[in-house]
Amino acid sequence: AQSVTQPDIHITVSEGASLELRCNYSYGATPYLFWYVQSPGQGLQLLLKYFSGDTLVQGIKGFEAEFKRSQSSFNLRKPSVHWSDAAEYFCAVAPITNAGKSTFGDGTTLTVKP
Amino acid sequence: EAGVTQSPTHLIKTRGQQATLRCSPISGHTSVYWYQQALGLGLQFLLWYDEGEERNRGNFPPRFSGRQFPNYSSELNVNALELEDSALYLCASSPGTTQETQYFGPGTRLLVL
Repeated sequence: AQSVTQPDIHITVSEGASLELRCNYSYGATPYLFWYVQSPGQGLQLLLKYFSGDTLVQGIKGFEAEFKRSQSSFNLRKPSVHWSDAAEYFCAVAPITNAGKSTFGDGTTLTVKP
Repeated sequence: EAGVTQSPTHLIKTRGQQATLRCSPISGHTSVYWYQQALGLGLQFLLWYDEGEERNRGNFPPRFSGRQFPNYSSELNVNALELEDSALYLCASSPGTTQETQYFGPGTRLLVL
């Protein structure tokens, strides 16, 4: 069975500092990988996704993520965090062969200090 | 292009009642997914509908059910409500079974008293 682990429940960074949110997955083959962001009381917004090809994926709002097959990781990064980035971030994995079986991590809450 | 819409935005019920939540997918999307996000917990997959059929179901009791209509909109029904059913219920849609990107609606917040 597939699974997703986001090791950090809560991360605090200063505005302007760099950010890395960790995501590790367990799956027998290369899955589809996603990062979503959820602002308080809102639904989820897709930040970026990896299906195949270049392992460094660019997303919206200046985010990027790197797929590392050897480490089963798909970490999210941003070089300079803005106060508006404070939110909860979810990593998700879906098998290539079976749509609808997406599995989400438990999320990482990002706090941005002024 | 309109995104995924959900109604109502908030719903207050008492224990034992039934709740009906509605979702309209993005135009052209045939798959609809339902998730439960209880306070402090991650997203728990509930149901997946595609082309009017239930394709997959999460680990929830049978009192959680739903359907998808010919226009691809969907309803989630929760019978015999329990206090722990209080949560944000998110609906997502995707173009079909070969497209994995799910686009989420704003959710319906259900409070069971």
